[in-house]
Amino acid sequence: QVQLQESGPGLVKPSGTLSLTCAVSGDSISSSDWWTWIRQPPGKGLEWIGEIYHSGSTNYNPSLKSRVTISIDKSKNQFSLRLTSVTAADTAVYFCARLTVQVSLGYFDLWGRGTLVTVSS
Amino acid sequence: QSVLTQPPSVSGAPGQRVTISCTGSSSNIGAGYDVHWYQQLPGTAPKLLIYANNNRPSGVPDRFSGSKSVTSASLAITGLQAEDEAVYYCQSYDNSLSVWVFGRGTKLTVL
Repeated sequence: QVQLQESGPGLVKPSGTLSLTCAVSGDSISSSDWWTWIRQPPGKGLEWIGEIYHSGSTNYNPSLKSRVTISIDKSKNQFSLRLTSVTAADTAVYFCARLTVQVSLGYFDLWGRGTLVTVSS
Repeated sequence: QSVLTQPPSVSGAPGQRVTISCTGSSSNIGAGYDVHWYQQLPGTAPKLLIYANNNRPSGVPDRFSGSKSVTSASLAITGLQAEDEAVYYCQSYDNSLSVWVFGRGTKLTVL
């Protein structure tokens, strides 16, 4: 079955750049339309960060848009998140997820386990 | 503050029925966007529980059901079991913010 696995540094310094990768296994990344990143600060709720289509088109949360870049590498069957100028407020568990989209709906039907990223000096 | 409002907590005894509400507005649920529900067990990733208002993915027990009205939705859980203790999130799309939105989550305690 299709599985997602996040990887990347667990600690990032303030003002630095957070970089994470999500490896897709069990199927081609091109078999599904949209791939996303979602984060959850400790003890808090879920926040959608952005998404990428297998063609490379992207959509970002306006609140993060100036700092976020999501990219895809079909040769490695993975997609990545880059978040610049991080602060303590960016400390969170970061999940990658598959987004299934139809006319009036979009839902996240497959999730990675998540990876905790702490912003601290 | 989330655009989808959920109660912070609900509780029920084993075997009972509980419902969790999710209230939106004219720019999300009221605009016709479907509502989806997720279950997050402690220390794990969210799991899709209900999609498109009232559909269960394969493997989700029929004790879980969803419904949607004009600007709100509900998740119902019947025959409560200890393993249902988790945080439940509703999710939809908001066309004024142009984002996929989640409720703040409701913690279900099985007494």
